[in-house]
Amino acid sequence: QVQLVESGGDVVQPGRSLRLSCAASGFSFSSFGMHWVRQAPGKGLEWVAVIWYDARNKYYADSVKGRFTISRENSKNTLYLQMNSLRAEDTAVYYCARILRYSSAWYSGLVPPMDVWGQGTTVTVSS
Amino acid sequence: QSALTQPASVSGSPGQSIAISCTGASSDVGGYDYVSWYQQHPGTAPKLIIYDVNNRPSGVSDRFSGSKSGNTASLTISGLQAEDEADYYCSSYTSVSTWVFGGGTKLTVL
Repeated sequence: QVQLVESGGDVVQPGRSLRLSCAASGFSFSSFGMHWVRQAPGKGLEWVAVIWYDARNKYYADSVKGRFTISRENSKNTLYLQMNSLRAEDTAVYYCARILRYSSAWYSGLVPPMDVWGQGTTVTVSS
Repeated sequence: QSALTQPASVSGSPGQSIAISCTGASSDVGGYDYVSWYQQHPGTAPKLIIYDVNNRPSGVSDRFSGSKSGNTASLTISGLQAEDEADYYCSSYTSVSTWVFGGGTKLTVL
């Protein structure tokens, strides 16, 4: 079955860097775009970034633009999120999610919504 | 990329119907028929329950339905059940190729 497993979460100091990974299995990873979404403790969901299936296009939330980089390695069925210049407000559970390819957005060449989600990995930014 | 506006909480008794609103702008909810809804139980990952305004993924109960009018989308849950108690989030595609979520609504089944 479709499975997404995030890893790499840790406690880091402000200003430091961290790379998250998301290992995919049970589907053709190289055919699907992927999202990152985060959730601060006790707060709502915040969309972070998306990458096309072939990495041709990437989009970011304003709150992370210039600091975070989304990437993928299709040969390893793995999605990444490189997080630099971390701030306290980046503290959250980070989820990776596969796009929903049967959304009409896909057929219109737009970014489809999130479908299957992983269980998340926790990032804490604190001195 | 301002968050969409949802009521903080709603409640209903078993068997009743409730609706959760999600208000955005012409650059997101009002401009595209790409509104999704997610259900999240405590300590678990979100689950997609509605996509493209009013479509249900396979396996999602037909008690869940979605609609949209102008800049406001709505999720309706009919025949409330205890298991429906959860947080619900709307999400919309935006004109800058990003997605934005609502602040979330806590549903209490009385």
